[in-house]
Amino acid sequence: DIVMTQSPLSLPVTPGEPASISCRSSQSLLHRNGHKYVDWYVQRPGQSPQVLIYLASNRASGVPDRFSGSGSGTDFTLKISRVEAEDVGVYYCMQTVETPYSFGQGTKLEIK
Amino acid sequence: QVQLQESGPGLVKPSETLSLSCGVSNFSINNGFYWAWIRQPPGEGLEWIGSLYRSGTSYYSPSLKSRLTISIDTTRNQFSLNLDSVTAADTAVYYCAGAVAGADHYYYMDVWGKGTSVTVSS
Repeated sequence: DIVMTQSPLSLPVTPGEPASISCRSSQSLLHRNGHKYVDWYVQRPGQSPQVLIYLASNRASGVPDRFSGSGSGTDFTLKISRVEAEDVGVYYCMQTVETPYSFGQGTKLEIK
Repeated sequence: QVQLQESGPGLVKPSETLSLSCGVSNFSINNGFYWAWIRQPPGEGLEWIGSLYRSGTSYYSPSLKSRLTISIDTTRNQFSLNLDSVTAADTAVYYCAGAVAGADHYYYMDVWGKGTSVTVSS
């Protein structure tokens, strides 16, 4: 099974400052079609998760452009260029290259 | 827009079967690429339980596979989860989710229910 490891687990950020979350997979998430099968979700307080990024670097519909994703076969990063108060929540990476699909432990972003 | 709503008991006794349903609104369940269940134990992260694809293929978490059934009822436009022989470790918020729109020929979980809390206790 593929293990997803996120860091940091806690991320205090000053509004207006950038933030970066790392996600490392125990196996390559590069599909034979050339795409990297990792998605990023955010779970805001009291809400269900919602998708931010799919296939490592594509913003889902309606996601602000301050969110971006990048990465190679096993190392992926979610970046927020300028954190806003509404970005508070827990961020998860998830691999879908093979079952069982798996999430990272989550990174809790809080405002300083 | 597409809406999902979980339903089921909030309290289940140990060794009994947990049965949850997810009603799909404003969208035909036949048109979804896949439907999924995810759970979140108290104070913990997200755990993928299983997915049921449009093709009819289902994939389950190996740790739950022997106790788990995910099925679809097209007449009621809903899908369900049955988890047998539950223990306290199955206590969690259970979310249903769907991959319905997708982009770039790839489908991610773009619709989620609000979640339903299930406690396993006698």
